Amino acid sequence: GAGVSQSPRYKVAKRGQDVALRCDPISGHVSLFWYQQALGQGPEFLTYFQNEAQLDKSGLPSDRFFAERPEGSVSTLKIQRTQQEDSAVYLCASSLEETYYEQYFGPGTRLTVT
Amino acid sequence: KNEVEQSPQNLTAQEGEFITINCSYSVGISALHWLQQHPGGGIVSLFMLSSGKKKHGRLIATINIQEKHSSLHITASHPRDSAVYICAVSYNQGGKLIFGQGTELSVKP
Repeated sequence: GAGVSQSPRYKVAKRGQDVALRCDPISGHVSLFWYQQALGQGPEFLTYFQNEAQLDKSGLPSDRFFAERPEGSVSTLKIQRTQQEDSAVYLCASSLEETYYEQYFGPGTRLTVT
Repeated sequence: KNEVEQSPQNLTAQEGEFITINCSYSVGISALHWLQQHPGGGIVSLFMLSSGKKKHGRLIATINIQEKHSSLHITASHPRDSAVYICAVSYNQGGKLIFGQGTELSVKP
């Protein structure tokens, strides 16, 4: 079946604009993760959902970042009043819960804030 | 100090060479993951292991729980192996990954 998809693949925003990044996980995957990857760095955890429940949002860098997964499938990461330091690749990953730990990654959304 | 340290950060090899990338972590983990990222591409999981050794084709991953250390080996390296290799750890079932900085590998023909 299809893998994890993300849209848009590229987004350019002017500083101060709001953006919304979408993630479609693999069908049936219970867990969904958002990561942020700055240029030349390893990804860093942002937030985690199990079905529609956001179980961990400790990695969200500020209250400008908000994520939701209202029906336990598609997730949206929203960044309000974007700043230049928000420029990064935003990665989404999904996994089956309980027995399965492997995470399947989407291609990422490259956000550039000008 | 990062929770997950990789070495080297950059590695250039000639085609056919045996390659080793190292990963150290600071506290007990549930599992260790090795992942591959091509330039401009997504991340692909190579291995997930909590003990011992796993092999897939020319790739071998080992972990020493007592020493909190893992290695990724590539035998008979090929230019198509050129990518960033990332070590990551998880602390609980289905939990978030804590990533190392990555090792950028370039294999020259």
